[in-house]
Amino acid sequence: AQKITQTQPGMFVQEKEAVTLDCTYDTSDPSYGLFWYKQPSSGEMIFLIYQGSYDQQNATEGRYSLNFQKARKSANLVISASQLGDSAMYFCAMSSFGNEKLTFGTGTRLTIIP
Amino acid sequence: DTGVSQDPRHKITKRGQNVTFRCDPISEHNRLYWYRQTLGQGPEFLTYFQNEAQLEKSRLLSDRFSAERPKGSFSTLEIQRTEQGDSAMYLCASSPSLGGGPANYGYTFGSGTRLTVV
Repeated sequence: AQKITQTQPGMFVQEKEAVTLDCTYDTSDPSYGLFWYKQPSSGEMIFLIYQGSYDQQNATEGRYSLNFQKARKSANLVISASQLGDSAMYFCAMSSFGNEKLTFGTGTRLTIIP
Repeated sequence: DTGVSQDPRHKITKRGQNVTFRCDPISEHNRLYWYRQTLGQGPEFLTYFQNEAQLEKSRLLSDRFSAERPKGSFSTLEIQRTEQGDSAMYLCASSPSLGGGPANYGYTFGSGTRLTVV
C-alpha cells in the first residue's frame, strides 16, 4: 500500500518569497512516480511537476522544483518568487509504474500575503 | 478539445434520490478515472476505464455506485439511494495509454461535480 503524508495543513508566505511544501511518502514498490498538483478554489486539479523514482536529477518546471530525497522518502515542492496567484491547495501524490491510480496526501493550503 | 469536461458542476439532491454525473475526457485519451474528494481530504480513487473496459474498482465503490463508459468515450457515474456521506466533489481525469511508468504529464483532471445530499 502507498501512503502520502503532508504535515502542513496551512502556510502563509509573503509575496515574492520562496516557499517549501513538505511531502513524505511510503511505498514498497521499487518504481514509482511522485506528483504535485495545485487545486484553486474553482476545484480543478492542475498538474505542476513530476519526479520518477529513478530520475537522477531533481525535477524543475519554471518556478517549481521538486526536492527529491529518496533515502528519506521525501518529495518537497519548492516554489520560488511566490505570487498572489499561487494561493491554493497543494497536493502531493504518487503512483507505481504500471498502475495509473494516484494516491494523494491531505494537502496544504498556501496563502500568499501581499 | 480544451480539456476534461464534467457535468453538472453542482448537484443538490435529497437523501435517497439517484444522481448521475457525466465526464467527457480529452478525445485522444483512452484511459478515464473517477476520484472522490471529501472536505479537507485529497482525492481518493474510485475506478478507472481503459477504453470501455472497467479495469479496477476501489472498495470505496459500494454497490450503490456504478460507472460506465459505453463505446470508450464519455463516462457516467451513478449513485443510487444517495446518503449524506456521499456529499463530496467527484473528479474525473483522463490520460493517454503511455505504456509502462506512471501517466505523468498526460493525466488531466476536470473541474469536478460537487454533490450535496440534504
